[in-house]
Amino acid sequence: AQSVSQHNHHVILSEAASLELGCNYSYGGTVNLFWYVQYPGQHLQLLLKYFSGDPLVKGIKGFEAEFIKSKFSFNLRKPSVQWSDTAEYFCAVYTGTASKLTFGTGTRLQVTL
Amino acid sequence: GAVVSQHPSWVICKSGTSVKIECRSLDFQATTMFWYRQFPKQSLMLMATSNEGSKATYEQGVEKDKFLINHASLTLSTLTVTSAHPEDSSFYICSARDSAAGGVYEQYFGPGTRLTVT
Repeated sequence: AQSVSQHNHHVILSEAASLELGCNYSYGGTVNLFWYVQYPGQHLQLLLKYFSGDPLVKGIKGFEAEFIKSKFSFNLRKPSVQWSDTAEYFCAVYTGTASKLTFGTGTRLQVTL
Repeated sequence: GAVVSQHPSWVICKSGTSVKIECRSLDFQATTMFWYRQFPKQSLMLMATSNEGSKATYEQGVEKDKFLINHASLTLSTLTVTSAHPEDSSFYICSARDSAAGGVYEQYFGPGTRLTVT
């Protein structure tokens, strides 16, 4: 069965620091990959997604992610975080085999001023 | 963009009673909707997949008689928590897939419903 691992459970950064959140999945076939963000008290929002093509995907609010097939990874990056980026970040994978989204455990990002 | 609404956003009920949560796709049709449960500081756990006009598919370990799902139209799915108990207190989130999206897979999420059972 497919699974998603997010190794960073809680990350604390100062404003303007660079961010990289890890995401690894286990599935050998074709995958669709997603990063979602959940701001405090708000619903899940799509940050970016990868279906095919260019493995470097740009999303909203300056986020990007790189799909590295050989490493089964889809890490999320942002060059300079802002206090407003404080939120929970979830990586998710969809495969046609499972026909459902499988979420990672999430990473709580706390950005300090 | 596609919007999914949930009602109510917050509900408190007494142990033993039933609670119904509605999920609506506001500007698109959804043949498939999903119900998730999220515990504090944890990830989303898929409870069931709801298909319009047919029975829901429940994930392993989810009691289908306790969590009744109805997807009677292309824009509405309901989750009824029957005979609720304090351990059912949680954040319930629905999600809908745009039927017109074709080969592009994307789910849109509702704002969630906080259920507290006393």
